[in-house]
Amino acid sequence: DSGVTQTPKHLITATGQRVTLRCSPRSGDLSVYWYQQSLDQGLQFLIQYYNGEERAKGNILERFSAQQFPDLHSELNLSSLELGDSALYFCASSVEPGLAGLYNEQFFGPGTRLTVL
Amino acid sequence: AQTVTQSQPEMSVQEAETVTLSCTYDTSENNYYLFWYKQPPSRQMILVIRQEAYKQQNATENRFSVNFQKAAKSFSLKISDSQLGDTAMYFCAFIQQETSGSRLTFGEGTQLTVNP
Repeated sequence: DSGVTQTPKHLITATGQRVTLRCSPRSGDLSVYWYQQSLDQGLQFLIQYYNGEERAKGNILERFSAQQFPDLHSELNLSSLELGDSALYFCASSVEPGLAGLYNEQFFGPGTRLTVL
Repeated sequence: AQTVTQSQPEMSVQEAETVTLSCTYDTSENNYYLFWYKQPPSRQMILVIRQEAYKQQNATENRFSVNFQKAAKSFSLKISDSQLGDTAMYFCAFIQQETSGSRLTFGEGTQLTVNP
């Protein structure tokens, strides 16, 4: 158990719908990351938040958005869903030291399996 | 942009034997970290081993060790005394602390099967 929790574990929805995935980081971790694992794209970084602010952005679609709340949990919102959005969505967390040379291990949650029908 | 390449989509090994998974990466930076993650059928991402680029000594964790060749940008994982529980997808990953944040870049993965 990494200490990172994600809900729900599974989500089945229809095209055009909107869903929200939730992540609670490990106690003490300030940074949250979202990754998408799909069959055709592999594991891809989507977005990072640090202490409530967006820190880095990857290949995240405009239909997707995220935020990190004051209690440090994060939500990933996916809207106008398409079949191709079916994937395993991981949240990870880390302590973001902000100092050069320190180790940046990211601890992964169990993932949310999204199926778009 | 950083890239990570795993050229072996699938590998198999007999129980108790040794197997090496290959990984190459591309970066223009000097300070970074490399990781091997294991993803068993449960889909959980589990960190196996890490290597800091500034360290010349290869990292080891019990039966897992790496061969880090910085000049060649190569980072292979050796699993000794393979066990059935080692059956999983293995991902090589790279991270670099950037001023704008940090992100893991993953390779395509190698599916390892340990046969009894």
